[in-house]
Amino acid sequence: EAGVAQSPRYKIIEKRQSVAFWCNPISGHATLYWYQQILGQGPKLLIQFQNNGVVDDSQLPKDRFSAERLKGVDSTLKIQPAKLEDSAVYLCASSLGKGMNTEAFFGQGTRLTVV
Amino acid sequence: KQEVTQIPAALSVPEGENLVLNCSFTDSAIYNLQWFRQDPGKGLTSLLLIQSSQREQTSGRLNASLDKSSGRSTLYIAASQPGDSATYLCALPPPCATNKLIFGTGTLLAVQP
Repeated sequence: EAGVAQSPRYKIIEKRQSVAFWCNPISGHATLYWYQQILGQGPKLLIQFQNNGVVDDSQLPKDRFSAERLKGVDSTLKIQPAKLEDSAVYLCASSLGKGMNTEAFFGQGTRLTVV
Repeated sequence: KQEVTQIPAALSVPEGENLVLNCSFTDSAIYNLQWFRQDPGKGLTSLLLIQSSQREQTSGRLNASLDKSSGRSTLYIAASQPGDSATYLCALPPPCATNKLIFGTGTLLAVQP
């Protein structure tokens, strides 16, 4: 079974530039998550999709971050414009999303450096 | 608000030693708890998922326990190997949302050959 795919693996941009990350979840997984992990910290949820609808985006900085999930499968996360404090690893995860107690599976992450 | 704490933040042990990693949470009304491993520069690999009705789960040399009443989970690693060196994270859903995770800050484990 293929895992969660993310691209790119690494990205370096200057502040105020734009960047986009892509995620392809495990086939059949209804729930997709984007997490931000700053160095030395645990991941923090940015946004959660159930199929193509947003379930939770309470911690997404909506003035600069946006995300969409096309047709309930792939998802993109965009930052525009980027700030230095956005430097982090952006992790995509997916789960079956049916009922409770569903296990989450993570991709390799995209390491973003803003200079 | 659920808060998750992991102690110690870092641990170094000689190869072959058994060790225990700790995870504490403030709200005992949880549905499950998941342990992950993260290698440097990599994503998270799920190790064990314990349902709220379970007290422990085992996978190979790993054993995870859950004590909801005391708000604690432990990850026991038997006969540690240098390849076990990584950051170990515990995570659990908040009481009102079953399908997102709140993470601890992790324990960085180094197993010395």
